[in-house]
Amino acid sequence: GENVEQHPSTLSVQEGDSAVIKCTYSDSASNYFPWYKQELGKRPQLIIDIRSNVGEKKDQRIAVTLNKTAKHFSLHITETQPEDSAVYFCAVGGYNKLIFGAGTRLAVHP
Amino acid sequence: EPEVTQTPSHQVTQMGQEVILRCVPISNHLYFYWYRQILGQKVEFLVSFYNNEISEKSEIFDDQFSVERPDGSNFTLKIRSTKLEDSAMYFCASSLGHGETQYFGPGTRLLVL
Repeated sequence: GENVEQHPSTLSVQEGDSAVIKCTYSDSASNYFPWYKQELGKRPQLIIDIRSNVGEKKDQRIAVTLNKTAKHFSLHITETQPEDSAVYFCAVGGYNKLIFGAGTRLAVHP
Repeated sequence: EPEVTQTPSHQVTQMGQEVILRCVPISNHLYFYWYRQILGQKVEFLVSFYNNEISEKSEIFDDQFSVERPDGSNFTLKIRSTKLEDSAMYFCASSLGHGETQYFGPGTRLLVL
């Protein structure tokens, strides 16, 4: 089945710096790649997603890039703020399910 | 903005007891899912459901688990005989279409003693 690897597991940055989280996947048939942000005790919230016919997508300070040939995709957060501190999960979607990465705990220090 | 809702928010049960977790998906969504998240770990897929049938299930979703859409609004997950290792946060999700964005509910935290 699909395997999703996510790195790093923890990331600590200073406010205003950029943060990059990377995921690789194994199933070349996967066609949907969302990123979720999860604050402690809360539900995963979709922050951005990309489909396999697009290489890059941006929404304000957040961007996602996809390399289908290499089977990896990345989340980029620019000008980080303390409220960006959370656990970020990448996921890979087929038709009926999402397979999640292990998560990255991002800490943004003022 | 419509949201997925879940009840109860917390449930404590004794090992061997049956539990039913309830979800109300977003009203015009057609695809429904259950996921679980053991404390401090990643979100794991359990089952997807469409047109009153299971579309796909994971290895976790064994004979102790079942899902049902008893009426036009609710979507339930039943665990027949709970085990200690069933303790987790259970998330329901729904999507408008096949492979579309999945929106998650707030979760039910299940603790099996």
